[in-house]
Amino acid sequence: AQKITQTQPGMFVQEKEAVTLDCTYDTSDQSYGLFWYKQPSSGEMIFLIYQGSYDEQNATEGRYSLNFQKARKSANLVISASQLGDSAMYFCAMRELSGGYQKVTFGTGTKLQVIP
Amino acid sequence: GAGVSQSPSNKVTEKGKDVELRCDPISGHTALYWYRQSLGQGLEFLIYFQGNSAPDKSGLPSDRFSAERTGGSVSTLTIQRTQQEDSAVYLCASSFPGRAFFGQGTRLTVV
Repeated sequence: AQKITQTQPGMFVQEKEAVTLDCTYDTSDQSYGLFWYKQPSSGEMIFLIYQGSYDEQNATEGRYSLNFQKARKSANLVISASQLGDSAMYFCAMRELSGGYQKVTFGTGTKLQVIP
Repeated sequence: GAGVSQSPSNKVTEKGKDVELRCDPISGHTALYWYRQSLGQGLEFLIYFQGNSAPDKSGLPSDRFSAERTGGSVSTLTIQRTQQEDSAVYLCASSFPGRAFFGQGTRLTVV
């Protein structure tokens, strides 16, 4: 089974609209962490937001929020008021205990295009 | 250094030649990851190191690919007898534990 599943290979959103990027995960750990990264066309990987499995509140960083639904094992990224600069690849990732060590696993990504 | 450093940043090689890609992780980071990314595509996991050992090398595409890590620090990804389909950006990341920090990648072009 895939540890991290991003079912949307590509998405379009109108500028100034909100968009949700889906991410589901699979783990048997009780303690884990979830991350989102942005990769613009420049290629750098930019950390956006983090959610710990014990955090009761959804994480928020500016226009980014993480819609954490633990029972459904989903960690969707919500971008409010999309901007042209939000056009990029977005990766969901999970940190969990694997073989006695903390290991980070990435999804395959979603390509977001913001339309003027 | 302050971040994950990869070298070279660009590499053009002839088909059939061997190449070595280097990753220098953030000091103290015990975990190190190699990924491959074709143009406009997602991340393809190659191998994961914890210290000097590789608990998960399931993503290496063929026996032409190998990687090692020494001193719990620098890692080298070696591709033997390169093929055109090996052309991609090779990304390295490190973590301790927590989130992964990425290098800028090595763009490999096999001609």
